[in-house]
Amino acid sequence: GAVVSQHPSRVICKSGTSVKIECRSLDFQATTMFWYRQFPKKSLMLMATSNEGSKATYEQGVEKDKFLINHASLTLSTLTVTSAHPEDSSFYICSARPLGTGGKLFFGSGTQLSVL
Amino acid sequence: EDQVTQSPEALRLQEGESSSLNCSYTVSGLRGLFWYRQDPGKGPEFLFTLYSAGEEKEKERLKATLTKKESFLHITAPKPEDSATYLCAVQRGEYGNKLVFGAGTILRVKS
Repeated sequence: GAVVSQHPSRVICKSGTSVKIECRSLDFQATTMFWYRQFPKKSLMLMATSNEGSKATYEQGVEKDKFLINHASLTLSTLTVTSAHPEDSSFYICSARPLGTGGKLFFGSGTQLSVL
Repeated sequence: EDQVTQSPEALRLQEGESSSLNCSYTVSGLRGLFWYRQDPGKGPEFLFTLYSAGEEKEKERLKATLTKKESFLHITAPKPEDSATYLCAVQRGEYGNKLVFGAGTILRVKS
């Protein structure tokens, strides 16, 4: 099956710093990638859709200046949490959909962000 | 607004004790319903896609079924390694890229 690699798996940072999370499709090209956020024992909430070569599409209520998304190539999307605060602490997961898979999403392994 | 409700929130089973998880959905123009398994601290792992009412899919001890209003994930003779959170998601026809997830069912299988 398709492989989506996400890095880092865990990051601890101080309040006010920025954190970058990388999402790579290893064996397929992805013109679109999706970033989700998950709170403990809660559902995955779609934050934004990352589009290769163009601006990301953010879901209602998601601050685009706080969560910067860049999709510079067909295999890499990055999410940067700017000026992180403790309330940004969460599990962030990226996903991508290879062509011809009937809508099936493949997920990265997730990044646990803890802001002190 | 699209809604996905999973029940129960948590389920404890003895090894070998079969049961079912439920996913009720409200969506305009269902394009597909997806089941995923998620282990703690990991991303979801794809299990099944169902596209139309009456469809069934099987994989080892798992069997997914779909009606016009809900989907069931049947677990036959579960083993401890089946312990995980099972997530259901729906894809709407008009917005084909988006999946709306339920909150999941936490399954614990004891030996």
